[in-house]
Amino acid sequence: ETGVTQTPRHLVMGMTNKKSLKCEQHLGHNAMYWYKQSAKKPLELMFVYNFKEQTENNSVPSRFSPECPNSSHLFLHLHTLQPEDSALYLCASSQFEATPYEQYFGPGTRLTVT
Amino acid sequence: GENVEQHPSTLSVQEGDSAVIKCTYSDSASNYFPWYKQELGKGPQLIIDIRSNVGEKKDQRIAVTLNKTAKHFSLHITETQPEDSAVYFCAASQAGSQGNLIFGKGTKLSVKP
Repeated sequence: ETGVTQTPRHLVMGMTNKKSLKCEQHLGHNAMYWYKQSAKKPLELMFVYNFKEQTENNSVPSRFSPECPNSSHLFLHLHTLQPEDSALYLCASSQFEATPYEQYFGPGTRLTVT
Repeated sequence: GENVEQHPSTLSVQEGDSAVIKCTYSDSASNYFPWYKQELGKGPQLIIDIRSNVGEKKDQRIAVTLNKTAKHFSLHITETQPEDSAVYFCAASQAGSQGNLIFGKGTKLSVKP
């Protein structure tokens, strides 16, 4: 595997379900990000982790819960979602110390909440 | 906070023509401006970027220009090809955020053969 991988690629869940999205980066980076991409809206930054520590939480509802067990893995735990949470969820990584701004994205997880 | 406006939202060109996408930003402290290309079913791919101490950068058929005074930057694609068809996003670094990016809404570029 190379780059940034995300699983699953597609997910359909009911509003009462609990599911998790997984991201893994194979670039040796130390910062990871979760973004939400909705139609006709800019990418929205949700969470940022630098060196496994969460440094940013952009007023994201508590039904989204991130976890970063190490610098290569990032999870987004989902529970009691709403239909408006349906979107493409993108993970990205960067090397914070060397080039703090060059972010590399995974292919995303297409989430549909029914 | 930073706000990024991107125009046009859609752009259709004939193969071989040039395409230009423009973005404006609001925070004069922003110092990094990347461009991403997103093809259907894929995540955004970094194609070129520019930092505030540079006015122009080229990479083969792609170039980016930055006007810090006017707070706008542009993506130029020359000799467009059908495989250039995608959604293009500009972004600006969020000052004081240790490198977080604020994105524009995207431009859907269609290159007609």
